[in-house]
Amino acid sequence: NAGVTQTPKFRVLKTGQSMTLLCAQDMNHEYMYWYRQDPGMGLRLIHYSVGEGTTAKGEVPDGYNVSRLKKQNFLLGLESAAPSQTSVYFCASSYRQGARYNEQFFGPGTRLTVL
Amino acid sequence: AQSVSQHNHHVILSEAASLELGCNYSYGGTVNLFWYVQYPGQHLQLLLKYFSGDPLVKGIKGFEAEFIKSKFSFNLRKPSVQWSDTAEYFCAVNAHGQNFVFGPGTRLSVLP
Repeated sequence: NAGVTQTPKFRVLKTGQSMTLLCAQDMNHEYMYWYRQDPGMGLRLIHYSVGEGTTAKGEVPDGYNVSRLKKQNFLLGLESAAPSQTSVYFCASSYRQGARYNEQFFGPGTRLTVL
Repeated sequence: AQSVSQHNHHVILSEAASLELGCNYSYGGTVNLFWYVQYPGQHLQLLLKYFSGDPLVKGIKGFEAEFIKSKFSFNLRKPSVQWSDTAEYFCAVNAHGQNFVFGPGTRLSVLP
């Protein structure tokens, strides 16, 4: 099993450009998450999905959109990138939210720089 | 709403020193508790977790954590650190039916 994979690993954008980050998991997990990691702030939840075709806002959703067209994929889009979106983005997945024996599995991350 | 605090931003230790990283959470109900580790340039990996039962949880690489419900704490310990333990450590809380909440992280530097 590959677990959780993310593409690309690195990306540099200019302000105003758009891009999509792809997350894929092969563990048949229902839940998927997108986090951003900034120094001293830990991980903050951007958006999450509780199943195919569903999405929900997390703690810091502004400036991002997501889609979950297939159970194994969760896409994060930036329509008009801003320097404040320079961060490391992590995707994670889990069987269920808050369920007994639940844990999140993380991807390797995407380092995004917006100039 | 849940929140998680970690006592130290950056801890510097010499090899063989003992480690204790503090974690406190605010939530009155039943929670699941986790410690994740992030080695330099890598993704988060689960170190250990607590769901129920024995409040002293043993994880990988000699780490353990103790859940003290009355103090809302889940401190991470290791009796003797190694240079390879240099990493960032995140405490996380997950209440039933709610999202995971991560602490801000503690950076551990172990000097050889």
